[in-house]
Amino acid sequence: KNEVEQSPQNLTAQEGEFITINCSYSVGISALHWLQQHPGGGIVSLFMLSSGKKKHGRLIATINIQEKHSSLHITASHPRDSAVYICAVGTPPLGRRNYKLTFGKGTLLTVNP
Amino acid sequence: DVKVTQSSRYLVKRTGEKVFLECVQDMDHENMFWYRQDPGLGLRLIYFSYDVKMKEKGDIPEGYSVSREKKERFSLILESASTNQTSMYLCASSLDYGGTQYFGPGTRLLVL
Repeated sequence: KNEVEQSPQNLTAQEGEFITINCSYSVGISALHWLQQHPGGGIVSLFMLSSGKKKHGRLIATINIQEKHSSLHITASHPRDSAVYICAVGTPPLGRRNYKLTFGKGTLLTVNP
Repeated sequence: DVKVTQSSRYLVKRTGEKVFLECVQDMDHENMFWYRQDPGLGLRLIYFSYDVKMKEKGDIPEGYSVSREKKERFSLILESASTNQTSMYLCASSLDYGGTQYFGPGTRLLVL
């Protein structure tokens, strides 16, 4: 069983819809990252969070440490949001030299005009 | 803005060739990483480095080696390329252990 599970694997939405992508993990973590990968390969870090909620523009990320679950929400989705969204969890505690990320397999989001 | 560059976007090599993939970052980051990305498997860590000349194995180091002679440059070496090393290779860097990682554009390697 993969340590990081994302759902759904694929998601198609109409422009303007509210999007939710979920991430569940099975290990204790020190931080969770959400990343975006556009066609062509480039990966951009969207959020790093260890508790609560963060917001950047139309993107909102939440995490529930007790339930080992995080969600990424996109409000008022737009075709330019079409990308692969990747969840990654970080262990051991921040600041340790052997800190590393374990990645989910990604969610392919397609937003149609 | 942090910039991470990789030496090639696309590379075609033959089985048995020695392959060098280079990564350069311009923000004086201590930590650098090499990943490979395969369909259905996601990103997997090959090696990382936390300082010049220092390296640590990741999850899948077999068949690979790395070199970090200068802080800004981290090289991934395939000593004898094999077809199962056909993949997308991504380099990343971060300032702190556990900090945000900044990724390069990736090198798509095809080994024939």
